[in-house]
Amino acid sequence: GAVVSQHPSWVICKSGTSVKIECRSLDFQATTMFWYRQFPKQSLMLMATSNEGSKATYEQGVEKDKFLINHASLTLSTLTVTSAHPEDSSFYICSAPDRVGEKLFFGSGTQLSVL
Amino acid sequence: AQSVTQLGSHVSVSEGALVLLRCNYSSSVPPYLFWYVQYPNQGLQLLLKYTSAATLVKGINGFEAEFKKSETSFHLTKPSAHMSDAAEYFCAVSKNSGGSNYKLTFGKGTLLTVNP
Repeated sequence: GAVVSQHPSWVICKSGTSVKIECRSLDFQATTMFWYRQFPKQSLMLMATSNEGSKATYEQGVEKDKFLINHASLTLSTLTVTSAHPEDSSFYICSAPDRVGEKLFFGSGTQLSVL
Repeated sequence: AQSVTQLGSHVSVSEGALVLLRCNYSSSVPPYLFWYVQYPNQGLQLLLKYTSAATLVKGINGFEAEFKKSETSFHLTKPSAHMSDAAEYFCAVSKNSGGSNYKLTFGKGTLLTVNP
């Protein structure tokens, strides 16, 4: 079955630095990818929809300048947390629908800890 | 707006016992409903989905869920728990069944533990 690979699985960084998270569709092309964030004991919350070749669509309350999304190819979307702060520490998950949009495949997530 | 409430952040059952994970939803339009499972260190996997074809939906690994509009519920059940069912389960709702506009609203998740 289709697989979405997310990297890294965990990252620790200093406050003020930027962190890039990659999401790859391994055996299918994804014109759209979704980025979610999950705080402890909370729901996965949709942050943004990444669109290949165009600007990402951000959900209300998500700072587009802080969470930079690039979807430069049909198999890769990246989320960059810029000038990270401790409150950005969270579990970030990407997902991509298959070509016909029938199924949604999820990455295994990235645990970000900002010191 | 849509929302999902999963009752019980942690459910513990004995091996062979009935599994019941509760999910209630709120939606202003006819909903599409999903159950996902997440095993440790893995991505979420679709267990089953309701797309209005039938109210009782059968999924993988012996799980099923019943859509009850009058109760706005979509509870997940399995007659006999297996040790391998231990995982976190997420209920989700969407306005769409798929396509590029495949936006999901998730519940907080329920951690299922199975005791030998």
